[in-house]
Order: sequence, then structure tokens, then C-alpha cells
Amino acid sequence: DAKTTQPNSMESNEEEPVHLPCNHSTISGTDYIHWYRQLPSQGPEYVIHGLTSNVNNRMASLAIAEDRKSSTLILHRATLRDAAVYYCILRDVAPAGNMLTFGGGTRLMVKP
Amino acid sequence: DAMVIQNPRYQVTQFGKPVTLSCSQTLNHNVMYWYQQKSSQAPKLLFHYYDKDFNNEADTPDNFQSRRPNTSFCFLDIRSPGLGDAAMYLCATSRGGIAGLVAKNIQYFGAGTRLSVL
Repeated sequence: DAKTTQPNSMESNEEEPVHLPCNHSTISGTDYIHWYRQLPSQGPEYVIHGLTSNVNNRMASLAIAEDRKSSTLILHRATLRDAAVYYCILRDVAPAGNMLTFGGGTRLMVKP
Repeated sequence: DAMVIQNPRYQVTQFGKPVTLSCSQTLNHNVMYWYQQKSSQAPKLLFHYYDKDFNNEADTPDNFQSRRPNTSFCFLDIRSPGLGDAAMYLCATSRGGIAGLVAKNIQYFGAGTRLSVL
């Protein structure tokens, strides 16, 4: 899987939007961009994924740059429950694309 | 309802004493994974089963073995645990599929088993 770069940590205030950036300058044309998050003492959980177009679901939005070299996970209103480590992961279409290769992730802290 | 269940949540073993961690799933997924996560680190894939086919990561130590007796269950066996094997062990599942589609498949994780080695 191609590599991703994320800030180590970010802070947000409760009920404010949060934009979590991810750089993936070596992304290939067939790599999907996945986001997972890991709450304290829990296993990771899926958040969202996309290929080229921006995506929305009940948890978050994913904004993908036109050149696909970066993306941003958007939490529209952060809650205390959103405090977690957020992982941006690229997955290719080869059979090995079954794997998730986790990078360092961004630790999001939410202040009340 | 939990879909990927790991037992126990906490496991204590002695140095060198074999230990088995278990994982079960209600999703009927054909792929099951085991990850190791050490303190303050990201999860690292140890191996996975695609149906009955076992796929080991190149750098997974021989001390770690796995069994998948049926679709629903998968076990992680640590033959001789060392102090460095103390970690959270995460089980995950996903649907398999042909190349080109699997990259979209979501992985579902259990809550993990935290292993301590005394």
C-alpha cells in the first residue's frame, strides 16, 4: 500500500467542525482512500472511504483533492465521543488489497 | 450487537507458557485477520485467512500460529510468549472478492484481547 502522512495530533472544541488532513502524494490511480478510527481501548472502526469523488455518510465527509494527492476527513460537529486516533489508509486493487496497512494516524483531542 | 467477538478481553500468561486467543464472527465473512498492536503504536497485520487459505506476513515470527476450524472461528496461538509479545491483539473480518472489488471492502474489528506476559 502507498504511504500516507498525517499530523500526529490535533485539537478541537466540542460541537465545532474538524478537518483531518492526509497526504498521499504517491497514490496510484486505483488506490481507494479509507479512514478508520480507534477509540480508546477499542478496535479500529470504519469511518468512510472514497476513490475520486467526495463522499458523505452519517459519520463524516471525505473531501478528495482533484489530483488525489491529499484528502480531508471532515467531522461536522465534534463530540467528546469523537476523541480517537484517526487512520488514513490507501488500499489498492491487487489481491493484497485485502490488507490494511496502518500508518501513524492522528490523535484527535476534543475539548468540552 | 457485537459482530466480531474476542475472548477474553484480558489475558495474563507466564513467560514461555502457550496461550490461545479466540475470535468469532456473526458476519459470515470469508476473510479473517489477526493484528498485533503494541502500546502507542498502530496495528500491525500478523496473518489472515481467506476462506481456509492461510496467508502469513513475511515478518511474523514463527512463535505465532493460527487456526481457523470453520467460517465463524479463528484462533491465535502463541507457542512461547516472551515479554515482547505483550500487546493488544485484534481480530478483524471482511468479505473477500475478486481483485478490483476487495479494495472497497470494509474490515470489522473486535474489541481486542490485551495480553500481559509475566
